[in-house]
Amino acid sequence: DAGVTQSPTHLIKTRGQQVTLRCSPKSGHDTVSWYQQALGQGPQFIFQYYEEEERQRGNFPDRFSGHQFPNYSSELNVNALLLGDSALYLCASSLEGAGGLYGETQYFGPGTRLLVL
Amino acid sequence: AQKVTQAQTEISVVEKEDVTLDCVYETRDTTYYLFWYKQPPSGELVFLIRRNSFDEQNEISGRYSWNFQKSTSSFNFTITASQVVDSAVYFCALSTGANSKLTFGKGITLSVRP
Repeated sequence: DAGVTQSPTHLIKTRGQQVTLRCSPKSGHDTVSWYQQALGQGPQFIFQYYEEEERQRGNFPDRFSGHQFPNYSSELNVNALLLGDSALYLCASSLEGAGGLYGETQYFGPGTRLLVL
Repeated sequence: AQKVTQAQTEISVVEKEDVTLDCVYETRDTTYYLFWYKQPPSGELVFLIRRNSFDEQNEISGRYSWNFQKSTSSFNFTITASQVVDSAVYFCALSTGANSKLTFGKGITLSVRP
């Protein structure tokens, strides 16, 4: 049973550039959530995609955008990169309406470490 | 607004000691979900437990146990007979929807020395 996968694992960009991060959900999951984790902090929610639509959004500027594909995989795009965008970007997947004790629990991938110079 | 407070930032224990990680949450919702995740140095968040607000039963899973108390808005995590492999950052998180965004605390760095 494949878990959540993310690519690339590491990325170095310069200020002003654009970046695309990719996520494949756990097998059978249909919801993808993205989080940003700065060094020494807890993850911060960016947005969640379900049925190819952005369903929830955290307090992040419009420079952060995303997409979900029919196969449930997802992309996170960040435009006009700032130094402060350097962080670990985590993708989590879950199954809507799964029910049960742990039904809709979000399971995380290994993350993409982004460094903006 | 939702908030999770993990007042302890770093804890260091010797192997085989018991250790309790504290978590206090704030929410105005009557239905909510609480989680603990472990983050080893590799960076991946590993799911440990989820509790629903309407189920205050404490839970034990091997060396791990969780104490959920709505009266004090706390969801504490105890590791019994700690091992070096327990060294990691532990996050408590809160969600007010079954499949909704997670609000995380700042995490507790646990170091278990041999």
